[in-house]
Amino acid sequence: AQSVTQLGSHVSVSEGALVLLRCNYSSSVPPYLFWYVQYPNQGLQLLLKYTSAATLVKGINGFEAEFKKSETSFHLTKPSAHMSDAAEYFCAVSDSSNYQLIWGAGTKLIIKP
Amino acid sequence: ETGVTQTPRHLVMGMTNKKSLKCEQHLGHNAMYWYKQSAKKPLELMFVYNFKEQTENNSVPSRFSPECPNSSHLFLHLHTLQPEDSALYLCASSQGVAGRTDTQYFGPGTRLTVL
Repeated sequence: AQSVTQLGSHVSVSEGALVLLRCNYSSSVPPYLFWYVQYPNQGLQLLLKYTSAATLVKGINGFEAEFKKSETSFHLTKPSAHMSDAAEYFCAVSDSSNYQLIWGAGTKLIIKP
Repeated sequence: ETGVTQTPRHLVMGMTNKKSLKCEQHLGHNAMYWYKQSAKKPLELMFVYNFKEQTENNSVPSRFSPECPNSSHLFLHLHTLQPEDSALYLCASSQGVAGRTDTQYFGPGTRLTVL
């Protein structure tokens, strides 16, 4: 069965520092991978998705993620954190059998001034 | 209204009450979803509707009853809930369900508390 693991339920970085949120997946077929963000008191919003084109995917708000098949990873990065990036981030993989999204447990990003 | 809207935003109910959650999407999508979001757990998919037909029911207890009268509206009827059902209930929509790359668009959720 496919699964998604997000390392670290909370990640704290200083404003202006690099943001790195980790996501590893298991899949027996080429995966389609997603990162969503949830701001406080809001629903989830798509940041970016990998659909088997370029392995480096650029998303909204300066975020990007790199698909690494050999490491079964799809880590999310941003060069310089901003206070407005404080939110919870979810990684998901599209199930190959029924196209449902399989979600990670989320990582809460905390930005220190 | 734009996107996906959900009402009410907050709901407190007793275990013997009956209530309904409403979701409406203004995106012209054909698929709609109910998710349960509990703290520190992955999102749990509850139900999927495609062109008003239910295509997935992920072993959800019968005290949750979905209804999809048309492609724009989705309801979740609640009765005799348990305290462990307290969570954020999210509605989402997508263009279809057959595309593995389809983006899902989420509403803000209904925060449900069962006393």
